[in-house]
Amino acid sequence: TQLLEQSPQFLSIQEGENLTVYCNSSSVFSSLQWYRQEPGEGPVLLVTVVTGGEVKKLKRLTFQFGDARKDSSLHITAAQPGDTGLYLCAGEASNYQLIWGAGTKLIIKP
Amino acid sequence: EAGVTQFPSHSVIEKGQTVTLRCDPISGHDNLYWYRRVMGKEIKFLLHFVKESKQDESGMPNNRFLAERTGGTYSTLKVQPAELEDSGVYFCASSPKAFSTDTQYFGPGTRLTVL
Repeated sequence: TQLLEQSPQFLSIQEGENLTVYCNSSSVFSSLQWYRQEPGEGPVLLVTVVTGGEVKKLKRLTFQFGDARKDSSLHITAAQPGDTGLYLCAGEASNYQLIWGAGTKLIIKP
Repeated sequence: EAGVTQFPSHSVIEKGQTVTLRCDPISGHDNLYWYRRVMGKEIKFLLHFVKESKQDESGMPNNRFLAERTGGTYSTLKVQPAELEDSGVYFCASSPKAFSTDTQYFGPGTRLTVL
């Protein structure tokens, strides 16, 4: 069974600080996706990383896929209150299924 | 273009009752997925339709769950009879082309509470 361990589960920091969220697995994924979910809504895709070692940037968010395609990280620089939300990672298994991390609830205090 | 819609948004039923959840995918999307998130746990895959056919139903918990996708359009997920452990948020997602790794677009979910 493929599992994705996401950490931390909860993070509360001050505006302007940096943070990193991690997703780790012992399994290889063909791609890894990061989502953000707001209360009462479904997850919304932020980025997909496909190649081992790949780095993608989305404004202040930097996503990295591990060389072995087993782990990924999301780094936010100078966090803003608008970044508050639930961040989810999901790995794509060979049968098109998404294997999900448990999520990181992020609160950015002004 | 309308996104993925789900109905109802909330459902509260008693153990032993039947509930049917509905998902309307984005028009023209071949793939339709059902997922479930139980409180405090990760989202888990339930099943995947390609058009009207069940491509993968390996995540369905047991035979109390029945999913259909009429004519390859909307889908229903019926739970009969519901048990306490079925409580959670049920998400539906769709993506455009069969057997590809397109972005999945998620609906807002149906929160099911079984008392």
